[in-house]
Amino acid sequence: AQSVAQPEDQVNVAEGNPLTVKCTYSVSGNPYLFWYVQYPNRGLQFLLKYITGDNLVKGSYGFEAEFNKSQTSFHLKKPSALVSDSALYFCAVRSQTGANNLFFGTGTRLTVIP
Amino acid sequence: DGGITQSPKYLFRKEGQNVTLSCEQNLNHDAMYWYRQDPGQGLRLIYYSQIVNDFQKGDIAEGYSVSREKKESFPLTVTSAQKNPTAFYLCASSGQTSGANVLTFGAGSRLTVL
Repeated sequence: AQSVAQPEDQVNVAEGNPLTVKCTYSVSGNPYLFWYVQYPNRGLQFLLKYITGDNLVKGSYGFEAEFNKSQTSFHLKKPSALVSDSALYFCAVRSQTGANNLFFGTGTRLTVIP
Repeated sequence: DGGITQSPKYLFRKEGQNVTLSCEQNLNHDAMYWYRQDPGQGLRLIYYSQIVNDFQKGDIAEGYSVSREKKESFPLTVTSAQKNPTAFYLCASSGQTSGANVLTFGAGSRLTVL
């Protein structure tokens, strides 16, 4: 079975500090992994994805994520947080083989404090 | 501008009434999806369609119906059989039907049952 866990409902960080939003996954075979961001009353926007190759993936707005196969994790990071980064972040996974459905985590609300 | 248009943005319904949510895309995408978003539960897949005149049930299809008569359009009907229809509904599309396909989301429709 495929699943995604985002263990933190809420993450608070001071502006200018580094941020991390955690994600672990379970999937049959190798995964495709994604991060999306949602601003209030809006749809989700794609940030970045991991397919294969380099474990460090760089995406939009200065975000990056590190794929760790042994820990089945795909944590989202940014070196210096902005107030405008405050939003709801979703991790998602799809198996590279088997079921084609994309499974989303429950989301982590990031608040960047000025 | 290319994108996905969902309407209405807000909808109120009395119990026992069916309601149809519109989703139109001008991205020339083959695949379209409907998700339901509830607080603390992330996104759950209702239905998806990979090609015109074909669609498949997702994880929570009971009480919902869809049609895909045109490539651009994928309306969702919330029927009176859906026991807890109050939620935020998101439509998405993708240019690929498999693999590491990135979803483009609409702005969502918020349905409230009175």
